[in-house]
Amino acid sequence: DAKTTQPNSMESNEEEPVHLPCNHSTISGTDYIHWYRQLPSQGPEYVIHGLTSNVNNRMASLAIAEDRKSSTLILHRATLRDAAVYYCILRDGSNYQLIWGAGTKLIIKP
Amino acid sequence: ETGVTQTPRHLVMGMTNKKSLKCEQHLGHNAMYWYKQSAKKPLELMFVYSLEERVENNSVPSRFSPECPNSSHLFLHLHTLQPEDSALYLCASSQDRQTNTEAFFGQGTRLTVV
Repeated sequence: DAKTTQPNSMESNEEEPVHLPCNHSTISGTDYIHWYRQLPSQGPEYVIHGLTSNVNNRMASLAIAEDRKSSTLILHRATLRDAAVYYCILRDGSNYQLIWGAGTKLIIKP
Repeated sequence: ETGVTQTPRHLVMGMTNKKSLKCEQHLGHNAMYWYKQSAKKPLELMFVYSLEERVENNSVPSRFSPECPNSSHLFLHLHTLQPEDSALYLCASSQDRQTNTEAFFGQGTRLTVV
C-alpha cells in the first residue's frame, strides 16, 4: 500500500494562510489523494480530494505536484476553529480503501 | 452533525462482558464502515459493508462481530475483549464503495476495557 508522510505538527497565526505538506512518493496512477481533518473529540471530517489537477472548494485548496509524489493542502485564512489533526490519505484505486497516516496537528495561535 | 450517529459515546466494559456499539445513518448511503483509532496509531479499517453485505474484514479478531441488518444501521458486537482493545471506535458511511465520494464519520464510541 502506498503511504503518506506528513510533519507531526505545524503552527500558524490566525487569519494567515496555512500550507500543509504531504509526501506520497509511492503513489500509484489510480490512487486519489484525500484530506480529512479531525477536531478534538470528533470523528474525522472530509476536506477535499483530487487526482491530478489542483482542486478548490469552500474549505480549502489542494495543490498536487506534477509528478503526484507530493501535495499541499492550503487553508486560505486560518481561524481558531481550524485547529485539528489533518490527514493526507491515499484512496487505493484497486480496493477503494482509505490508507490513513499519522496526520499533522495544526495549532493556530491567536 | 454529520448525519452519522453513534451510541453510546462512552463505554466501559469488563473483559467478560458482552456489549454492542450502534451506528445509524439516514443519508441514503450504501456503504458503511467500522474503524478503530488507538492512541498514537493511524486509523485502522476493521469492516466494510456494501448494500448490507460484508465486503472487507481486515484481519479483525473474532471477538469483534459486525452486523448490518439494513442499509441505515450497523452494529459492532463485542465479547471477551482485551485491555488493548480500548480505543475510539468510529463508524462512517459513504454513497458507495467505488466512487470517490466523501465519507461521513460519527463522533465515535470511546471504549475502555478493564
